[in-house]
Amino acid sequence: AQSVTQLGSHVSVSEGALVLLRCNYSSSVPPYLFWYVQYPNQGLQLLLKYTSAATLVKGINGFEAEFKKSETSFHLTKPSAHMSDAAEYFCAVTTAGGTSYGKLTFGQGTILTVHP
Amino acid sequence: DSGVTQTPKHLITATGQRVTLRCSPRSGDLSVYWYQQSLDQGLQFLIQYYNGEERAKGNILERFSAQQFPDLHSELNLSSLELGDSALYFCASSPLVGTSGNEQFFGPGTRLTVL
Repeated sequence: AQSVTQLGSHVSVSEGALVLLRCNYSSSVPPYLFWYVQYPNQGLQLLLKYTSAATLVKGINGFEAEFKKSETSFHLTKPSAHMSDAAEYFCAVTTAGGTSYGKLTFGQGTILTVHP
Repeated sequence: DSGVTQTPKHLITATGQRVTLRCSPRSGDLSVYWYQQSLDQGLQFLIQYYNGEERAKGNILERFSAQQFPDLHSELNLSSLELGDSALYFCASSPLVGTSGNEQFFGPGTRLTVL
């Protein structure tokens, strides 16, 4: 079985401040990890993914995430927040096989608010 | 634009009714996934099809069914609707049978409201 926990349902930062969204996963086999963003009334857009290559993954819009196996974490960061980053962010996990085959398991989501 | 299309965008219906949600995957993608997003349950995987065959099943109710047609579009059928079925239903597609690190591309969703 696999699961994802996103710490903090709401995160608020000032424009220009560091963005840190936390994600911890649980998986009995090596995971593949994703961060998706959802803007209001839209579908999910992939920000970045970890697929067992480099542990530091760079994505779109200046976001990056680091896979830390020892901490079972995959936190999302951005050095300087923009107003346009305000959205809901989802961490998701899957594996290449087993009972989780073909299935993304999502965290509960973190709503990011950016203040001017 | 992800290349995945879903129709209709909004659907309002009454309890006990049956509805069909439609999804067209990205050109060339053989896998289609259905997810339900609700306030209380979050984003949950429902079912996956690959090239017309069911490949994985999640928390899908017996009142719900899906299929993928030869042209690769998929339909999610929801019957005997209850108030709790009100949610946003997403379709996603990917090129291969399993994710294996391949990302899933999500459609804009169908918002179902059951009155």
